[in-house]
Amino acid sequence: EDQVTQSPEALRLQEGESSSLNCSYTVSGLRGLFWYRQDPGKGPEFLFTLYSAGEEKEKERLKATLTKKESFLHITAPKPEDSATYLCAVWGPEGGKLIFGQGTELSVKP
Amino acid sequence: DTEVTQTPKHLVMGMTNKKSLKCEQHMGHRAMYWYKQKAKKPPELMFVYSYEKLSINESVPSRFSPECPNSSLLNLHLHALQPEDSALYLCASSPRWDSNQPQHFGDGTRLSIL
Repeated sequence: EDQVTQSPEALRLQEGESSSLNCSYTVSGLRGLFWYRQDPGKGPEFLFTLYSAGEEKEKERLKATLTKKESFLHITAPKPEDSATYLCAVWGPEGGKLIFGQGTELSVKP
Repeated sequence: DTEVTQTPKHLVMGMTNKKSLKCEQHMGHRAMYWYKQKAKKPPELMFVYSYEKLSINESVPSRFSPECPNSSLLNLHLHALQPEDSALYLCASSPRWDSNQPQHFGDGTRLSIL
């Protein structure tokens, strides 16, 4: 069964304390893995697309990496404004359907 | 600012009311989506439109009726909703439904059913 699992469910960091979020997936024929950030009461904001193992993308304090089984979202020296829920998703085998993980709720305290 | 615009941002309605949610995108995308999201859960797919035709209906109750008047607009007509339908309703778009490009989301309509 195609599925996406994110860990941890919640992560509390002190400002400046680097860490990583994990997204493991099982899907036949990966057509793209996506990271989104979602603030309370807002829609998911697109961050990164990864297509093949070994690929890396960076944006400010965030870096996303991909292996054949999982993706990591590394957060370097986080700030309170990085607090949000981070969602991982992959295209399912059927066109038009994204398979989402349950999300990781990140809280960064000053 | 998001490139997918949803109106209204908030909606409170009774179980006998009829209302509509609207979504607009001007990115030239030909696939548009409706999602329902409950608190602390990921978005749950409801409908997919491809080139203005309904491609996927995820067994959504008939009290939700989607409409795609043109390639930029997507509506969701609501009638006789239940309290459990209270949620954040998200619209998204992507270049094509079978591409490998990401979906882009609007900020949603917060719907409350009294």
